Amino acid sequence: DAKTTQPTSMDCAEGRAANLPCNHSTISGNEYVYWYRQIHSQGPQYIIHGLKNNETNEMASLIITEDRKSSTLILPHATLRDTAVYYCIVRPRRNNDMRFGAGTRLTVKP
Amino acid sequence: GAGVSQSPRYKVAKRGQDVALRCDPISGHVSLFWYQQALGQGPEFLTYFQNEAQLDKSGLPSDRFFAERPEGSVSTLKIQRTQQEDSAVYLCASSSQGGGAYGYTFGSGTRLTVV
Repeated sequence: DAKTTQPTSMDCAEGRAANLPCNHSTISGNEYVYWYRQIHSQGPQYIIHGLKNNETNEMASLIITEDRKSSTLILPHATLRDTAVYYCIVRPRRNNDMRFGAGTRLTVKP
Repeated sequence: GAGVSQSPRYKVAKRGQDVALRCDPISGHVSLFWYQQALGQGPEFLTYFQNEAQLDKSGLPSDRFFAERPEGSVSTLKIQRTQQEDSAVYLCASSSQGGGAYGYTFGSGTRLTVV
């Protein structure tokens, strides 16, 4: 039972913003939205998480809609090194398993 | 060390052989997780430790899979009588908070190939 829906793949031009969407229409009130990415031959890397407010850190911004049924991860100035599979995950904050779907394969092109 | 360390990086096993995969989490991290990642798919949860206690092993695919963390630090994932379907990357992650509230740190994984 997939909790999130993401596009299979996306392309982005180097230097432009990459906007990765995620639908989570069945999200519960105590569930957070987490984003990870996985660069080829490496383990997943934590990017950001949020509950209902928009969040920003040194890597990315997370925009969550008011009804919390969808979110967008924004990489403001994509570089070639941002080419990776990006995973959107929803789960309660204090929960002991992070369930990954298939993610979105982002390709940043020169 | 600065990150989660896994060894070996690559392992080729003959079908029926037993294998042991090691994970060194970040020092002081309470929580430790094992995942299995088949080619082209996302990581699948296997099991979770909080200190030395294995609190969830619901993701282990069969009784051939066994994990331990006897002193609450290093963990070993053991697969007995390996089968071809066990071929995958095995990822270990650790977290400083019980339950991983602030995100996990993953190792680079062990790629297991069963021939």
